[in-house]
Amino acid sequence: GQQLNQSPQSMFIQEGEDVSMNCTSSSIFNTWLWYKQDPGEGPVLLIALYKAGELTSNGRLTAQFGITRKDSFLNISASIPSDVGIYFCAGQWGNMLTFGGGTRLMVKP
Amino acid sequence: NAGVTQTPKFQVLKTGQSMTLQCAQDMNHNSMYWYRQDPGMGLRLIYYSASEGTTDKGEVPNGYNVSRLNKREFSLRLESAAPSQTSVYFCASFGDSGANVLTFGAGSRLTVL
Repeated sequence: GQQLNQSPQSMFIQEGEDVSMNCTSSSIFNTWLWYKQDPGEGPVLLIALYKAGELTSNGRLTAQFGITRKDSFLNISASIPSDVGIYFCAGQWGNMLTFGGGTRLMVKP
Repeated sequence: NAGVTQTPKFQVLKTGQSMTLQCAQDMNHNSMYWYRQDPGMGLRLIYYSASEGTTDKGEVPNGYNVSRLNKREFSLRLESAAPSQTSVYFCASFGDSGANVLTFGAGSRLTVL
């Protein structure tokens, strides 16, 4: 099946630092999504991107839908302890999603 | 509260036992999904149901069966559990209008001994 390569797999950063993670695919998607999963919970949608080239912000989060429709990145500015969790990218085609392997973010106060 | 509800939250089984994970959504979504999550492997699709009365295999269907009981409910059954099925299972539903995003339940942690 389709594969999404998400990197990095994990990050351990200092509070206040900026974070960047990305996903690449061999296939194109018509929507890119970024989810966050807190321990013991299901993933929750952070940002949805619907158009190639689209740049969208949600508070300290910024994500972009790559122009080739095969990649996306997520930036978190000025990280805080509650940013800890696993971040997943997902490419969507119709009603089917393919997920990246996740980026585990750890924030040191 | 609107959303996806799945039960049980935790379950321990012995090899060979059977069990059913239940999922219900109250958002009037047509599509429902079962994923499993394993460390370092993200979320892998087990089965999905694009509409009431239909089900299709996902990436990792072996050892599982599903039933789309009605529009609200989509259950996942393990007929003869194996240790390889130890995982966290997530049910999700997808709306076919509006924002069109996948909404997840809180997960069911299954351990097979």
